[in-house]
Amino acid sequence: AQKITQTQPGMFVQEKEAVTLDCTYDTSDQSYGLFWYKQPSSGEMIFLIYQGSYDEQNATEGRYSLNFQKARKSANLVISASQLGDSAMYFCAMRELTGNQFYFGTGTSLTVIP
Amino acid sequence: EAGVAQSPRYKIIEKRQSVAFWCNPISGHATLYWYQQILGQGPKLLIQFQNNGVVDDSQLPKDRFSAERLKGVDSTLKIQPAKLEDSAVYLCASSPSGSEQYFGPGTRLTVT
Repeated sequence: AQKITQTQPGMFVQEKEAVTLDCTYDTSDQSYGLFWYKQPSSGEMIFLIYQGSYDEQNATEGRYSLNFQKARKSANLVISASQLGDSAMYFCAMRELTGNQFYFGTGTSLTVIP
Repeated sequence: EAGVAQSPRYKIIEKRQSVAFWCNPISGHATLYWYQQILGQGPKLLIQFQNNGVVDDSQLPKDRFSAERLKGVDSTLKIQPAKLEDSAVYLCASSPSGSEQYFGPGTRLTVT
């Protein structure tokens, strides 16, 4: 079974609109962390936001927020007020504390339309 | 603060040749990771070091790939001999505590 599933290969959003990128995960660990990374065409992976499994509040970092629904095992990324520079690949990732392994999803390509 | 450094940025080799990649993590980061990212896919963890010890190398093809992190700082990843399917971007990342990772720019390998 896939540890991280991103079902949207590509997404389009109008500039200044909000967009939600989906991510579901699979783990039997009680303690884990969820991450989102941005990968522009230059190739570098940029850390965006982190959510711990025991965090009760959804993480927020500027225009990024993580909609964490533990019972549904989902960790969607919400980008508010999209900008042209947000066009990139976005990867959801999970770290299981048992074994300390990191797993990445297949990514979602986001295109912001002017 | 300087980021994760990798070299070379690009490498083209013929199959059956050898190649080595170098990574210098962020100063003070104990954990270092090597990932392979094939075009159109997410990164796949190859090996994880904690200081100079290997934490996880379960997905490293050990018949042809090797990695070391002498003195718990710099790391090298070697492929010998390379195959066509090794064409990918090799990403190095470091982490201070095993939480968020900071990635280098990657090395794009093309095997012909």
